[in-house]
Amino acid sequence: GAVVSQHPSRVICKSGTSVKIECRSLDFQATTMFWYRQFPKQSLMLMATSNEGSKATYEQGVEKDKFLINHASLTLSTLTVTSAHPEDSSFYICSAMVGPSTDTQYFGPGTRLTVL
Amino acid sequence: DAKTTQPTSMDCAEGRAANLPCNHSTISGNEYVYWYRQIHSQGPQYIIHGLKNNETNEMASLIITEDRKSSTLILPHATLRDTAVYYCIVNTGTASKLTFGTGTRLQVTL
Repeated sequence: GAVVSQHPSRVICKSGTSVKIECRSLDFQATTMFWYRQFPKQSLMLMATSNEGSKATYEQGVEKDKFLINHASLTLSTLTVTSAHPEDSSFYICSAMVGPSTDTQYFGPGTRLTVL
Repeated sequence: DAKTTQPTSMDCAEGRAANLPCNHSTISGNEYVYWYRQIHSQGPQYIIHGLKNNETNEMASLIITEDRKSSTLILPHATLRDTAVYYCIVNTGTASKLTFGTGTRLQVTL
């Protein structure tokens, strides 16, 4: 149980375009999902916390207008990188919490974004 | 959340037990110790967590000292597939974010 999927697994796009990444909890409902970013040889950095039906909470330094997060259902959160630039190239990973009574986060496999 | 300190890297022979230490001397009474690992180019994988008592599951054992200022993750019989970066994270466990440090890079060798 506690499986989280991401789609796509990797994407290459041109500078200036927008890219949407989906994060799904496959066998549980997730009231809270998190989005992380990981640059090469670095650790994961939290970008935002997403609660179903409400606006996401962004970490300091993360532009909310550039990284749009939507958590429309208990099993789906999306991250849209708008007007992507080469410096946005990174490994984007989501996680989901099983429920309010347990706070273990389960992570998706990640999405490798390359902006040309 | 309390900060953790882990060795940068460790080696372990296949079949042997891998003991990964973590210091969390500023841990608060309501903070749990979580362990995750990340195999190259994959998302982190949950391993185990505990508050005070030692814990064991199908993947590993977690030994927490009585003063809770340090802990050890034990992989009883390491295999090549256990090669990964292991993260020790202290968290209140109340829907709060995980802060990843640099972790320990475990290399399991033949």
